[in-house]
Amino acid sequence: DVKVTQSSRYLVKRTGEKVFLECVQDMDHENMFWYRQDPGLGLRLIYFSYDVKMKEKGDIPEGYSVSREKKERFSLILESASTNQTSMYLCASSSPRDTQYFGPGTRLTVL
Amino acid sequence: SQQGEEDPQALSIQEGENATMNCSYKTSINNLQWYRQNSGRGLVHLILIRSNEREKHSGRLRVTLDTSKKSSSLLITASRAADTASYFCAIGGGYNKLIFGAGTRLAVHP
Repeated sequence: DVKVTQSSRYLVKRTGEKVFLECVQDMDHENMFWYRQDPGLGLRLIYFSYDVKMKEKGDIPEGYSVSREKKERFSLILESASTNQTSMYLCASSSPRDTQYFGPGTRLTVL
Repeated sequence: SQQGEEDPQALSIQEGENATMNCSYKTSINNLQWYRQNSGRGLVHLILIRSNEREKHSGRLRVTLDTSKKSSSLLITASRAADTASYFCAIGGGYNKLIFGAGTRLAVHP
């Protein structure tokens, strides 16, 4: 079975802190994705990566950056967390043109 | 931008009944994927249907795709209380990026 893991289920940070969300997949997938999910807004794509060290902006990249130094790991970075970044963050991975598999999500609260 | 739009937004049925959810989209697609999400949890993949396919089955699930009408439907037959969840369609485009709809909240009552 495909497994996508995220470093934390729940995270509480303070405004201005630098926050790292880690995602690891074990299926040698080329593509990895970060989404955030908010009530009434659905899932929105923040960033994605189609290869090691390659990254592309999604629909809402402002305030975020990403890092993909190894194929299995894709990190989302909040350089200076703000309260409007309180959300559920979901990581996913896939082969090109195939099913995306999602991790369990990280519920981030920024105080 | 959200391309996938689900209909209805919410659906309440009794166990044993069938549930149908619809998804419409606006542009060309590589594939369309359906997911289920239980409250506060991650997304579980249900079915992927490619743009050259018209129908797919998986257990009690049936998905259809009509590219001429830019629409898809998910049918759950003989619903169970455990099917209570939110269901999302997602449009697969370049690099397999997904654009999600707002989802349909399904409640199945015993």
